[in-house]
Parts: sequence; structure tokens; C-alpha cells
Amino acid sequence: DADVTQTPRNRITKTGKRIMLECSQTKGHDRMYWYRQDPGLGLQLIYYSFDVKDINKGEISDGYSVSRQAQAKFSLSLESAIPNQTALYFCATSDPGLLNNEQFFGPGTRLTVL
Amino acid sequence: KQEVTQIPAALSVPEGENLVLNCSFTDSAIYNLQWFRQDPGKGLTSLLLIQSSQREQTSGRLNASLDKSSGRSTLYIAASQPGDSATYLCAGQYNFNKFYFGSGTKLNVKP
Repeated sequence: DADVTQTPRNRITKTGKRIMLECSQTKGHDRMYWYRQDPGLGLQLIYYSFDVKDINKGEISDGYSVSRQAQAKFSLSLESAIPNQTALYFCATSDPGLLNNEQFFGPGTRLTVL
Repeated sequence: KQEVTQIPAALSVPEGENLVLNCSFTDSAIYNLQWFRQDPGKGLTSLLLIQSSQREQTSGRLNASLDKSSGRSTLYIAASQPGDSATYLCAGQYNFNKFYFGSGTKLNVKP
């Protein structure tokens, strides 16, 4: 079973729609992250959370919001989707303790905004 | 802003060849450096993590090195196989909470 799961895996939506991407993990890690990947570019950090009560903006948070519902769940929302938010979205977790904050990634969600 | 660069963007080699992938970073105050593999349409798989106090890490046919003073990390793949074909990404961690990714090297190992 996958340690970090993302739903949905693929989503096509229209401009102006509200979209939620969900991430769940069974690794027991406190830290969770949302990234987006555009073709030919590296991953860019959208938001990160170090525990349930901690939410921090990343490099490109405009147009996005997040919710940390539990240690194991971290959701990303696009309040009003626009075409340039078409990208591959990844959730990741890490543990700053024994694993030196090594990051573990989910399989990704491919989002297309028409 | 920290920048992480990977050159070349793409590399094609015959099966069995030893190869080196390069990763450069602008800020030497790096906490650790992590190498990932990404298959088309898939997530990232962690390959190796090198702490700032270490110089290299090895896993099977893979060896990653870190030279903070020169701002470089290399991933050495020995005896390459077609199954090694993928995009390889490096990411530098700073301030214990920020990760900066390179854009990747797309490797094709020809049978």
C-alpha cells in the first residue's frame, strides 16, 4: 500500500470552478507539503504544514488555500481555477527526526483547467 | 533566493555505460541534498539523501556526492540499464523547512 496517496489522480475542470485536491499519509509524519510541477521546470512549493495547527505559505501560494484536517490529511484548494493553474500537483511528507527531513512524495494529481 | 540547476537537461547513453548527473546550487548553507527519480506521469521516488556533514552516500549502483564549497552535487550511476531511464531531480534543503528543486535531467539508456 502507498504511504502517501492523492485523490483524484486526474481532474479536468473549467475556469472559475472550485477544486479540492486531497492528500493522505500513513507514514506518521508531522510535516506535509504541496508542490506544483510545470513541464520542464522544477517543483515549486505552494504551502507547507509542520503540524495540524501550523500552515505556511510557500513560493507560489496566490490563488491557493490549504487545510490540515488531521496529522494524516492535508488538502489543497483552488478557489477559482484559472488555466495557468494547469499542472501536476504533488503532496509530500517528511520527518525531521530520524530521517533527516527526507521527503516522500505521493503519485501526483494531473489538473487541467480549461 | 536559492537556485538549483541541473545540466544537462537530457542525456542519452548506451546500456552498460557509467554516467554522472550534475546538480549545482548557489547557496552553500545547505542543510541536505536529496536526489529523486521521476518516471513519466508518476511521483518522485527518493534515491539518496546527503546531509551537509557528509560527502557522499551510496545505494546499490548509485553514488551521490556533495561538495558544499563548490556548490555541487553529483549522482553517479554505474553500469546503466534501460530501466534507469527516467528524469532525475535534485533538491537542496535550506533552513530545515524549504526545499528548492532543479528542473531535472531526463536520462535515456538505450538497449
